[in-house]
Amino acid sequence: AQSVTQLDSQVPVFEEAPVELRCNYSSSVSVYLFWYVQYPNQGLQLLLKYLSGSTLVESINGFEAEFNKSQTSFHLRKPSVHISDTAEYFCAVRGLTGGFKTIFGAGTRLFVKA
Amino acid sequence: DVKVTQSSRYLVKRTGEKVFLECVQDMDHENMFWYRQDPGLGLRLIYFSYDVKMKEKGDIPEGYSVSREKKERFSLILESASTNQTSMYLCASSGSNEKLFFGSGTQLSVL
Repeated sequence: AQSVTQLDSQVPVFEEAPVELRCNYSSSVSVYLFWYVQYPNQGLQLLLKYLSGSTLVESINGFEAEFNKSQTSFHLRKPSVHISDTAEYFCAVRGLTGGFKTIFGAGTRLFVKA
Repeated sequence: DVKVTQSSRYLVKRTGEKVFLECVQDMDHENMFWYRQDPGLGLRLIYFSYDVKMKEKGDIPEGYSVSREKKERFSLILESASTNQTSMYLCASSGSNEKLFFGSGTQLSVL
């Protein structure tokens, strides 16, 4: 079985500041890892994913996440945030075996202030 | 673009009613999921299905059942709605590339 812990429920930050949203997971098998984003009044959409290969993955809008197997973490970072990054971010995990069951964390609400 | 359509955006039901939430996807995906989203709890998996007529319990299946008679349609059933089932319900589908595609959600209120 898998579980996901997002360590911060809310992260307020000023525009153009760096941000890190933390995610730790537990699993008895190897995993795929995901970050999904939910903008205000919109549905969830994939931000980035780690399946295999390079442990650093990037999104098209400047976010990156690094898979750290020893620390079982997949923290999301952005060096300079914009007002439009205000959203709720969800970390998710899926085991490589046992079907397509995808488990989500409780979410981190990122609030970017001018 | 993949489309996952949930039949209702808002639904209000009374305690004890049987409630059907419908979800249809148009990309021939094998896998479909039902989650509920509650503030502070994130998304919790209720049921998922990896093939027609196949279903697996998620983390919170109590009080729910599902039906998948056709590949494109996955229904969530609340046998006897209760107030603690007031929530946002999200349907998702995925093919072989692991990414989930979500519907826009159904906000269910049970009074």
